[in-house]
Amino acid sequence: AQKVTQAQTEISVVEKEDVTLDCVYETRDTTYYLFWYKQPPSGELVFLIRRNSFDEQNEISGRYSWNFQKSTSSFNFTITASQVVDSAVYFCARSQKLVFGQGTRLTINP
Amino acid sequence: KAGVTQTPRYLIKTRGQQVTLSCSPISGHRSVSWYQQTPGQGLQFLFEYFSETQRNKGNFPGRFSGRQFSNSRSEMNVSTLELGDSALYLCASSSGQPNQPQHFGDGTRLSIL
Repeated sequence: AQKVTQAQTEISVVEKEDVTLDCVYETRDTTYYLFWYKQPPSGELVFLIRRNSFDEQNEISGRYSWNFQKSTSSFNFTITASQVVDSAVYFCARSQKLVFGQGTRLTINP
Repeated sequence: KAGVTQTPRYLIKTRGQQVTLSCSPISGHRSVSWYQQTPGQGLQFLFEYFSETQRNKGNFPGRFSGRQFSNSRSEMNVSTLELGDSALYLCASSSGQPNQPQHFGDGTRLSIL
């Protein structure tokens, strides 16, 4: 099976620290898409970002940034100056048929 | 624009019963996918419907079935419920293109007693 692996099951940091969530994927497709979703305690998965396989440009959106490295099949997510509201479970996913990683539970402590 | 709506939010059933969950996608979205989320197995893909046809299917037994109506609304049915079916069932809609993100509903939390 072509898996998505999020090796970090849980991460706990103090507010204002930077934190990086790792994601490694497997695929035999030449064209594919990568996503990050956030699941707050309410349960709904919220779409954060999409990256296609032929665009390795990193992206920054406010305190969030994503580092896509095709050579290592990784799509890591960094939160700078974390806040308590960032506490959630974060999922990395890959299409074509959407396959999710196991998720990383991120807790930001005040 | 209204989001994905799932009903009911919570459901309690007993073993052997059957259950039907409903999902109304975002207006204009033709693809609806269903996922099961449990603490042990994480998020697992059940199936995807596109224009009333099942387009993809995950590795779940035949007790799990679904359908999609002409207005893109979808239902998922689970028959002969087992204790292990207790989970959060999430529905997601999209345009159906693989490069487009799926938008998720709040889920239906199903508890089997």
